[in-house]
Amino acid sequence: NAGVTQTPKFQVLKTGQSMTLQCAQDMNHEYMSWYRQDPGMGLRLIHYSVGAGITDQGEVPNGYNVSRSTTEDFPLRLLSAAPSQTSVYFCASSYSTGFNEQFFGPGTRLTVL
Amino acid sequence: AQSVTQLDSHVSVSEGTPVLLRCNYSSSYSPSLFWYVQHPNKGLQLLLKYTSAATLVKGINGFEAEFKKSETSFHLTKPSAHMSDAAEYFCVVSEDTDKLIFGTGTRLQVFP
Repeated sequence: NAGVTQTPKFQVLKTGQSMTLQCAQDMNHEYMSWYRQDPGMGLRLIHYSVGAGITDQGEVPNGYNVSRSTTEDFPLRLLSAAPSQTSVYFCASSYSTGFNEQFFGPGTRLTVL
Repeated sequence: AQSVTQLDSHVSVSEGTPVLLRCNYSSSYSPSLFWYVQHPNKGLQLLLKYTSAATLVKGINGFEAEFKKSETSFHLTKPSAHMSDAAEYFCVVSEDTDKLIFGTGTRLQVFP
């Protein structure tokens, strides 16, 4: 099993550009989520999904969109990048809910100029 | 509303000495509590979790945590630190099965 994979590992964007962060898991997990990690702030939940076709907002959803067309994939889309979105982004998955062990991807480091 | 406070942003210990990482939580209900560890440039890994069973929870790599409702605490301990324990540790609380609230993290340094 590859576990949770994220691409790209690093990305630099200019303000106003859009892009999609990819996340995939091969463990047949129903629950997937996206977090951003900023210094001194821990991880904050952006969006999550409890299964294909179902998504919901977390703590900090503004400026981000998600979709879940398959169990395996949960892409995060930045519509119009802003410097405030400079962060490290982690995707995670678990068997059914947030209470189960979360398996994290290696992260994507995003810089918005 | 639920929240979690990690009382120390940095903790330094010598190898072989005990580790104590402090966490206090606020919750309207009986929460589930977790500790996750993040080694440098890596994703996070679950150390242990409390879900209203035994109040003393044992995790991986010799870590354990005790749930104390009267003190609203869930401190992480290890009797003897190892160099490989150097990492960032996150206390996490959840009332809702779908939403986890992370603390701001405690960076543990271990000196030889």
